[in-house]
Amino acid sequence: DAEITQSPRHKITETGRQVTLACHQTWNHNNMFWYRQDLGHGLRLIHYSYGVQDTNKGEVSDGYSVSRSNTEDLPLTLESAASSQTSVYFCASSDHSAGAGELFFGEGSRLTVL
Amino acid sequence: ILNVEQSPQSLHVQEGDSTNFTCSFPSSNFYALHWYRWETAKSPEALFVMTLNGDEKKKGRISATLNTKEGYSYLYIKGSQPEDSATYLCAFFSGGYNKLIFGAGTRLAVHP
Repeated sequence: DAEITQSPRHKITETGRQVTLACHQTWNHNNMFWYRQDLGHGLRLIHYSYGVQDTNKGEVSDGYSVSRSNTEDLPLTLESAASSQTSVYFCASSDHSAGAGELFFGEGSRLTVL
Repeated sequence: ILNVEQSPQSLHVQEGDSTNFTCSFPSSNFYALHWYRWETAKSPEALFVMTLNGDEKKKGRISATLNTKEGYSYLYIKGSQPEDSATYLCAFFSGGYNKLIFGAGTRLAVHP
């Protein structure tokens, strides 16, 4: 069965460290997204990609970067982790362009920055 | 930044009650409206994706309507059950903005 997986599921790091969260999907979807979940805000879009070599900033992109070198993976990097980046991160993918396709979400990665 | 508003923020109902929530979004440049169900400690799962004004979708006891001209969508749950307890998210895709933006969600608790 096709799926979308995130790793690590839980991560504790220190302020200033670089952290990378992995996202891998076997749906062969062109569109991939990173969201963060924060109390009172629901899901906020960090970065997204509509195909290989395509990356775009979302609502809360400062301090984060992504790269898309193949269809299956969209790793999210925190260049220098800050306590404000403590959150649960969700990766998602979809197959239709322009928002018409439902998102399939990974299980989430809980990141704590001390 | 586009604003997607959901109301109420939270809702407590008794088993068997019917209930509904609202999602409000900008009426210009509409392309799609999504509804997701998000159970605690799980990932959000899609309920509906609606693209046409007047769309009505149904899945079991859950249904949704869409009014793109006035910028709102309703989600209805008929005869709520405890297993319906979850956060219900809506998300709006604007052709001009080109990204899917989520509301903060409505948290539903159904009491036996």
